[in-house]
Amino acid sequence: ETGVTQTPRHLVMGMTNKKSLKCEQHLGHNAMYWYKQSAKKPLELMFVYNFKEQTENNSVPSRFSPECPNSSHLFLHLHTLQPEDSALYLCASSQVITSGGHEQFFGPGTRLTVL
Amino acid sequence: GENVEQHPSTLSVQEGDSAVIKCTYSDSASNYFPWYKQELGKRPQLIIDIRSNVGEKKDQRIAVTLNKTAKHFSLHITETQPEDSAVYFCAVQGRYSSASKIIFGSGTRLSIRP
Repeated sequence: ETGVTQTPRHLVMGMTNKKSLKCEQHLGHNAMYWYKQSAKKPLELMFVYNFKEQTENNSVPSRFSPECPNSSHLFLHLHTLQPEDSALYLCASSQVITSGGHEQFFGPGTRLTVL
Repeated sequence: GENVEQHPSTLSVQEGDSAVIKCTYSDSASNYFPWYKQELGKRPQLIIDIRSNVGEKKDQRIAVTLNKTAKHFSLHITETQPEDSAVYFCAVQGRYSSASKIIFGSGTRLSIRP
């Protein structure tokens, strides 16, 4: 498998369930991201990890809990979600360089539906 | 903090005509300006980018122009084709190496009429 992969591709869960989204990058990058994509906010950055350390949490509710055990894997743990959390969750990776901006490589996304 | 506005939200052009999408930003320290294309049901992919030390960049039918003084940059697609139909996102990133500074525009849905 090449590039950025995400599992599962589709997930339906009740508000009391606990589930996890998984992302894996095979590009040797040192940064990984979680985005939420919905009709309201097309590409909303949630979390950023540089070298396994979380560097950004964009005021995301605590019912979303990220985990980055190494530079290739990123998880998003979900618990007691709300129906408005239904969206496409995209993972991305990039190679952070000192001279600034860098291309983001996106995974295919997980389509999440909260009932 | 940085604010990015993208216009128009939807755009329909005749095949063969040109399409222009514009983004404005607020932070003068921003120095990297990528454009991503997202086809229906697919992931966003980078199509072109520009850095603040360059005013224009071109790649075949796609070009991006940057006006640092006015703090806006634009995507130009010439000789549009059906496969250009997609949602296009601009983005802005600061001079720092941290990835946390990237902000995306709200997207433009481009439709190419046959």
